[in-house]
Amino acid sequence: QQQVKQSPQSLIVQKGGIPIINCAYENTAFDYFPWYQQFPGKGPALLIAIRPDVSEKKEGRFTISFNKSAKQFSLHIMDSQPGDSATYFCAASNRDQAGTALIFGKGTTLSVSS
Amino acid sequence: KAGVTQTPRYLIKTRGQQVTLSCSPISGHRSVSWYQQTPGQGLQFLFEYFSETQRNKGNFPGRFSGRQFSNSRSEMNVSTLELGDSALYLCASSWAGVREKLFFGSGTQLSVL
Repeated sequence: QQQVKQSPQSLIVQKGGIPIINCAYENTAFDYFPWYQQFPGKGPALLIAIRPDVSEKKEGRFTISFNKSAKQFSLHIMDSQPGDSATYFCAASNRDQAGTALIFGKGTTLSVSS
Repeated sequence: KAGVTQTPRYLIKTRGQQVTLSCSPISGHRSVSWYQQTPGQGLQFLFEYFSETQRNKGNFPGRFSGRQFSNSRSEMNVSTLELGDSALYLCASSWAGVREKLFFGSGTQLSVL
């Protein structure tokens, strides 16, 4: 059962564009929502994370928008660059479970053309 | 500071064999978790160890097991390998492992023939 639905599966934008990746969830016990970036041959690396008491968080060119009532959150990449070409994963953590288990979306492959 | 180290980087096994993968976390990190990554299923949580105790387990069969040593290094074992076990196995470490940044290794690519 996929508990975090991510879209689109792939995305192509031009340099300077603002790609937007969306995620949705159903489980109201989720209380931590990180985004990870993965380059080929590497493990995922944390980009930015948000908790449900905040509607927006910005770190550099990356912004998370969070809509608690709709159970949706999204990643915006401002002024995208070819170096941002990677696979992006949203994830969620369940407060009712011990430890650090993350439930990941299926990923979005982003290509930024120059 | 060294990152998360996983060995070996690549493995080729045949059906029915067993395999052991190793993970050395970042120094000082006490939580180690394991994930399976496949093109079809994406990233799926296998299990997490904290201070040598399994703290959480994902929905995988008992053929998948792990352990953590007193120096926080961890191993995972897959017995009676199946073709569907072919995947990238990723290890991640963190200080305490709760709602915090995970540091992933580059993974072990396992191919089962």
